[in-house]
Amino acid sequence: RKEVEQDPGPFNVPEGATVAFNCTYSNSASQSFFWYRQDCRKEPKLLMSVYSSGNEDGRFTAQLNRASQYISLLIRDSKLSDSATYLCVVSAGGTSYGKLTFGQGTILTVHP
Amino acid sequence: DGGITQSPKYLFRKEGQNVTLSCEQNLNHDAMYWYRQDPGQGLRLIYYSQIVNDFQKGDIAEGYSVSREKKESFPLTVTSAQKNPTAFYLCASNTGDPVETQYFGPGTRLLVL
Repeated sequence: RKEVEQDPGPFNVPEGATVAFNCTYSNSASQSFFWYRQDCRKEPKLLMSVYSSGNEDGRFTAQLNRASQYISLLIRDSKLSDSATYLCVVSAGGTSYGKLTFGQGTILTVHP
Repeated sequence: DGGITQSPKYLFRKEGQNVTLSCEQNLNHDAMYWYRQDPGQGLRLIYYSQIVNDFQKGDIAEGYSVSREKKESFPLTVTSAQKNPTAFYLCASNTGDPVETQYFGPGTRLLVL
């Protein structure tokens, strides 16, 4: 089983749609959780951190369920510019000093 | 501007050749990391360094070597022992706090001739 699993997609949605991505992780000792965005042939960039209480940043909402070891990202009112690969990222913390484990990414294409 | 730079953007390697990828940061970060990304896959950790003159193997260190002589610099050498080096190589850094995210350089794309 992969440490971090995501549905690779692709997700093809029209502008204005709401789309949700899910991610599961296997290490129950994981401490920090992130969503990164990666554009084609570019480096990943932090989209948002994910907190146990859930957090929102404009059209983006992230949720964490520690009991189920599950993370989600919701994008409302999709824009063409949201087209990218979304990476679910988990940090084990503790003795795994700063080590991040990446999911394979979920591809999103927003069309007119 | 603070950030991470990687060079070159594209690198071509001949059979049996060692090549070195550069990574420099001016963020005053203690920790630096090297990842490899293959098409359609997530990033895999090659090596990381928490402090100058110290580094640790990641998940796929075979065929690679690193050094950390200066805080700002963490070069990666892809040796001839790495039989499948074609990939996108990404360098990252952070303060070393395990709960903190990492910041990435623009990457180097390595191709084998």
